[in-house]
Amino acid sequence: GESVGLHLPTLSVQEGDNSIINCAYSNSASDYFIWYKQESGKGPQFIIDIRSNMDKRQGQRVTVLLNKTVKHLSLQIAATQPGDSAVYFCAENFASGGSYIPTFGRGTSLIVHP
Amino acid sequence: KAGVTQTPRYLIKTRGQQVTLSCSPISGHRSVSWYQQTPGQGLQFLFEYFSETQRNKGNFPGRFSGRQFSNSRSEMNVSTLELGDSALYLCASSLVGIGQGIGGYTFGSGTRLTVV
Repeated sequence: GESVGLHLPTLSVQEGDNSIINCAYSNSASDYFIWYKQESGKGPQFIIDIRSNMDKRQGQRVTVLLNKTVKHLSLQIAATQPGDSAVYFCAENFASGGSYIPTFGRGTSLIVHP
Repeated sequence: KAGVTQTPRYLIKTRGQQVTLSCSPISGHRSVSWYQQTPGQGLQFLFEYFSETQRNKGNFPGRFSGRQFSNSRSEMNVSTLELGDSALYLCASSLVGIGQGIGGYTFGSGTRLTVV
């Protein structure tokens, strides 16, 4: 498949473990955050989002935590499965022109071993 | 329903040429945005269109341009291609724009552009 990045941080876990992927963002004006998953040869896929007026949001097997004080975002994946193996990106978004301008993190490669 | 469709899937161009990439959004989606993805710079925002108007633009030179048609289909153009323009170009669509509905954009699989 196509490589989405070289020298990405890598997180290796065993199937069934919980995974935590971290992301630092830079713009204090960012008020909307998204986590994406990108599998080889595909475009990014939306996982979960969170607004700056929240510090935690849960989805199915995923939880996003937001710490605005230190500008840090994390994605927790419970009971990680081999199908979760992919590159994960965070995106910080700040409002502009009636929409948002996104800035993406470099990504973390998650490898799940059966 | 059909996802975001990008054509062509792969493209090889010569330095100095120009290229046009096409994106068909999900039916009913009015916001289309474009991104460049490279190993060195990661995923970067190019521009966003909504109802045929460019709503936001990233930090790319004027060689990168785009447009959106009345049916929401979008094209992006890169003129005077440079070797550094080699990248995966991704298009994404949403109903009215991210943050204003559920979730982020829905991405296509991209066009892999190689400049030689």
